[in-house]
Amino acid sequence: EAQVTQNPRYLITVTGKKLTVTCSQNMNHEYMSWYRQDPGLGLRQIYYSMNVEVTDKGDVPEGYKVSRKEKRNFPLILESPSPNQTSLYFCASTERGKVDTQYFGPGTRLTVL
Amino acid sequence: ILNVEQSPQSLHVQEGDSTNFTCSFPSSNFYALHWYRWETAKSPEALFVMTLNGDEKKKGRISATLNTKEGYSYLYIKGSQPEDSATYLCAFSELPQRANSNYQLIWGAGTKLIIKP
Repeated sequence: EAQVTQNPRYLITVTGKKLTVTCSQNMNHEYMSWYRQDPGLGLRQIYYSMNVEVTDKGDVPEGYKVSRKEKRNFPLILESPSPNQTSLYFCASTERGKVDTQYFGPGTRLTVL
Repeated sequence: ILNVEQSPQSLHVQEGDSTNFTCSFPSSNFYALHWYRWETAKSPEALFVMTLNGDEKKKGRISATLNTKEGYSYLYIKGSQPEDSATYLCAFSELPQRANSNYQLIWGAGTKLIIKP
């Protein structure tokens, strides 16, 4: 089954404690991205990757890092989380350069105390 | 700054009634307009992608139209059912300015649809 998986689904942590949210897709898509969703706002892109070892900033990259060492995986790293990073996070993948469907992971609800 | 507006923000509709809502987007440099359906506790799922002015797409009781010259798209639901309750998201992408650039989607905040039995 074609899918995007994310882990963990829920996470409560404290300010400053490094965390990683994993994302994996099995569709051989080149393009992957991370979004955050906050009430009353549209999905905002944090980082994206157009291929292995190619990553770039989206609209709201501050406080986040990503890596793309393998095509299928695109982890999101919060080196020193802060309360303003409390949000719902989605990973998505699509065929690069095409007007094509974005496939979303199930979401990770992060709370930073 | 590109902006995508969706209206209304939320909508309560009686089961069996038809409804529609709007997505407004920049009319210049248009590339594509996407509609997604997002049910609570699930992932957003694609409904339609439209690229041409005048495009109409249909999936069951749900349909969408596109006007790129004036920068709007309508989503219609005919004979609403409780399972239609969800947030409907639209997203706009513009023509990339350079080769290999990001086909970034700019998302609206969504219209939350609640169907009352």
